[in-house]
Amino acid sequence: GAVVSQHPSRVICKSGTSVKIECRSLDFQATTMFWYRQFPKQSLMLMATSNEGSKATYEQGVEKDKFLINHASLTLSTLTVTSAHPEDSSFYICSASASLQGSEKLFFGSGTQLSVL
Amino acid sequence: GQNIDQPTEMTATEGAIVQINCTYQTSGFNGLFWYQQHAGEAPTFLSYNVLDGLEEKGRFSSFLSRSKGYSYLLLKELQMKDSASYLCAVTDSNYQLIWGAGTKLIIKP
Repeated sequence: GAVVSQHPSRVICKSGTSVKIECRSLDFQATTMFWYRQFPKQSLMLMATSNEGSKATYEQGVEKDKFLINHASLTLSTLTVTSAHPEDSSFYICSASASLQGSEKLFFGSGTQLSVL
Repeated sequence: GQNIDQPTEMTATEGAIVQINCTYQTSGFNGLFWYQQHAGEAPTFLSYNVLDGLEEKGRFSSFLSRSKGYSYLLLKELQMKDSASYLCAVTDSNYQLIWGAGTKLIIKP
């Protein structure tokens, strides 16, 4: 199967600081990666689609200057939450698509629990 | 608009069988996924259906009817570790993934 590694798994930071989350596809090349956030007891919400070598496509309502996405290589995408505030506290998950057995499937990182004090 | 409906919560007994339903209305269809998510963890892939019919994988099976916009996830021989949220997601004509809100499954001894 395809493995997606996400780090860190948990981060606690002070309000106003920036936090970087890494998402790596370990055994396959991912031209497209996705970033989601999930609030407690709610569904996953797509934040942005990250394409290698080009600018990310953000969903409506997501501030691109606040959530910086960089997809510099076929195996690495990063999400930086800039000047984090308590309302940014959430569970952030990345995923990458891989073609397995003739169909596209999404494989998820383990997620990052961000707590902003 | 695009919409995916699944029950908010279900309760079942250890060793029993439970069926979690999912109905969808999307602009186009390119496959339906079921994911399992334990609290505080990322979703893990369970199944993928793009053609009508039943896909069986061990204790878990998934069914799809495209004409009815309907799918179900069937869990047999329930174990306590199956207590989790089960997410239904559909890929639309633009290959965007539309997520359901998830069904919280509670397993009782």
